[in-house]
Amino acid sequence: DAGITQSPRHKVTETGTPVTLRCHQTENHRYMYWYRQDPGHGLRLIHYSYGVKDTDKGEVSDGYSVSRSKTEDFLLTLESATSSQTSVYFCAISDPNSDGYTFGSGTRLTVV
Amino acid sequence: AQSVTQLGSHVSVSEGALVLLRCNYSSSVPPYLFWYVQYPNQGLQLLLKYTSAATLVKGINGFEAEFKKSETSFHLTKPSAHMSDAAEYFCAVTNRDDNIFFGQGTRLHILP
Repeated sequence: DAGITQSPRHKVTETGTPVTLRCHQTENHRYMYWYRQDPGHGLRLIHYSYGVKDTDKGEVSDGYSVSRSKTEDFLLTLESATSSQTSVYFCAISDPNSDGYTFGSGTRLTVV
Repeated sequence: AQSVTQLGSHVSVSEGALVLLRCNYSSSVPPYLFWYVQYPNQGLQLLLKYTSAATLVKGINGFEAEFKKSETSFHLTKPSAHMSDAAEYFCAVTNRDDNIFFGQGTRLHILP
């Protein structure tokens, strides 16, 4: 997927446990994003990053935190997973010189 | 503020028939518009994009879209549907100074 990988691809976790999803890029793009995809809602932005240690909230950021200590890695953490966070999570990257986003293959997270 | 509305969460067409997926946008500044396709268990792939050049944009797999400012629309079309076109399609808008906003998606079903 054009130099962007997400891990894990699938995860089942219990309510109340912390979970970290990883997005790794080899494109050296400045911008990275985390979205969640739910039926009837399309893709909703959780958090995004515009550089190392520079992050900001999206429209559905409650219950999530992010970190970007290196250009290539953008981590999404659910501090205490809830069933409402069961979803498919997509990472995306973009560059100011491009006009679109490149997406990872997604992480399917189930909170039981 | 920017947003997109996709009319119809599900669209069914017969193989060989015209495909028309509707997208209307809202933007206070000249927009950049995109169509993405998502096949099952995959991330989103860019189909085509409008970035203020030609109003008729041709994309991959025989798809095209026309930007109509007067109608604030960016509908996606394909003259003849193929079984392999079955997927979910997302319209998106950005103005390059903001994040990208996605519609809720339209699932395209192809009838044999």
